[in-house]
Amino acid sequence: GAVVSQHPSWVICKSGTSVKIECRSLDFQATTMFWYRQFPKQSLMLMATSNEGSKATYEQGVEKDKFLINHASLTLSTLTVTSAHPEDSSFYICSARRALNYEQYFGPGTRLTVT
Amino acid sequence: AQSVTQLDSHVSVSEGTPVLLRCNYSSSYSPSLFWYVQHPNKGLQLLLKYTSAATLVKGINGFEAEFKKSETSFHLTKPSAHMSDAAEYFCVVSENSRNYGQNFVFGPGTRLSVLP
Repeated sequence: GAVVSQHPSWVICKSGTSVKIECRSLDFQATTMFWYRQFPKQSLMLMATSNEGSKATYEQGVEKDKFLINHASLTLSTLTVTSAHPEDSSFYICSARRALNYEQYFGPGTRLTVT
Repeated sequence: AQSVTQLDSHVSVSEGTPVLLRCNYSSSYSPSLFWYVQHPNKGLQLLLKYTSAATLVKGINGFEAEFKKSETSFHLTKPSAHMSDAAEYFCVVSENSRNYGQNFVFGPGTRLSVLP
């Protein structure tokens, strides 16, 4: 149990376009989901925290108008990278915090390449 | 505020020899501590976690870690390295307070190489 999926696993887009990444908790309810970004050979950096039904909380230095987060249900959060640029190319990983026990489970990640 | 230091950015061992990956943390509250492994271009896999129960924690694939509060350490060990252990390892601290949530702070990572 406690599986988190991400879709797509890999996406290539052109500069200036928008890309949506989905994060789903498959077998549990998640009141909170987290979005991380990982640049090559670096650690994970928290971008934002989203609570179901409310606005996301962004970490310092993360542009909320560029990285739109929606957490409309207890099993789905989406991250939309708007007007993507090559410097947004990265590995994006979500995690979901289980409402029952506050445990956090990670998705497999989405690799975004902006050309 | 919480933080994590992984003392070695890269560790290289021979297959069949012991593995030691070092982690030190700082936390204002009673922390939860985790070790995750990430193989190239893959997501994170939980190896083990400490949540204020037994200080010696056993995880998957023969890994274990010992929580030492006096040293603020949570080093990861394995008696005998296997080629498949080659990966990136992250130590993570979380202040597991309901008021503050389970926000994870990741260490910078240690790359483990296993030589034949």
